[in-house]
Amino acid sequence: EVQLVESGGGLVQPGGSLRLSCAASGFTFSDYEMNWVRQAPGKGLEWVACVRNSGTSKYYAGFVKGRFTISRDNAKNSLDLQMNILRAEDTAIYYCARGDLRYFDLWGRGTLVAVSS
Amino acid sequence: QSALTQPASVSGSPGQSITISCTGTNSDIGGHNYVAWYQQHPGKVPKLLIYDVNYRPSGVSIRFSGSKSGNTASLTISGLQAEDEADYYCSSYSTTSSVSAVFGGGTRLIVL
Repeated sequence: EVQLVESGGGLVQPGGSLRLSCAASGFTFSDYEMNWVRQAPGKGLEWVACVRNSGTSKYYAGFVKGRFTISRDNAKNSLDLQMNILRAEDTAIYYCARGDLRYFDLWGRGTLVAVSS
Repeated sequence: QSALTQPASVSGSPGQSITISCTGTNSDIGGHNYVAWYQQHPGKVPKLLIYDVNYRPSGVSIRFSGSKSGNTASLTISGLQAEDEADYYCSSYSTTSSVSAVFGGGTRLIVL
């Protein structure tokens, strides 16, 4: 089955760190660019970051400002998002999404990140 | 504030057609033919409906169609059905400051 499964979400204090992971299966992971997209409670979708097939080119939304790092391991079919200096406004469901920046055709179910003291 | 502007809500009766607009700039919608539309039911994962302005992925109903004029893209849903009630988001490839993707704020479709 073609799917993406996120993990690693949870409750973290402001200023803390969290590492999200996404396990891909059912397709040739190395053929696709991968992204993280988030959705705050009751709010809209917001693109976070993209990594190209090889992992060498990475792009980030402006609000990341050096706090987040996207990475991938094509041998393990996995995508990660290291999040540092977390703020309350980073509270959201974080989705792993397949696709280049034109569109996202496969989404995971998401993992919830809550930043609160 | 979202990068792309969508109406907060639209409504229509079963069988009717509705159109949702999505307005951007020359750096995103106006500068590239890379507009996508997504449908999201409450508590569910977004589903790709339209990509590259007017292409439908396999399995998406022909009732959904996309178009673009200048800096504004549109999603039209014809033959409205009760199950179409959901949130709809547009997105675009963007080269505003760096390469990125931008989303609209979302439109709630209410089927009367």
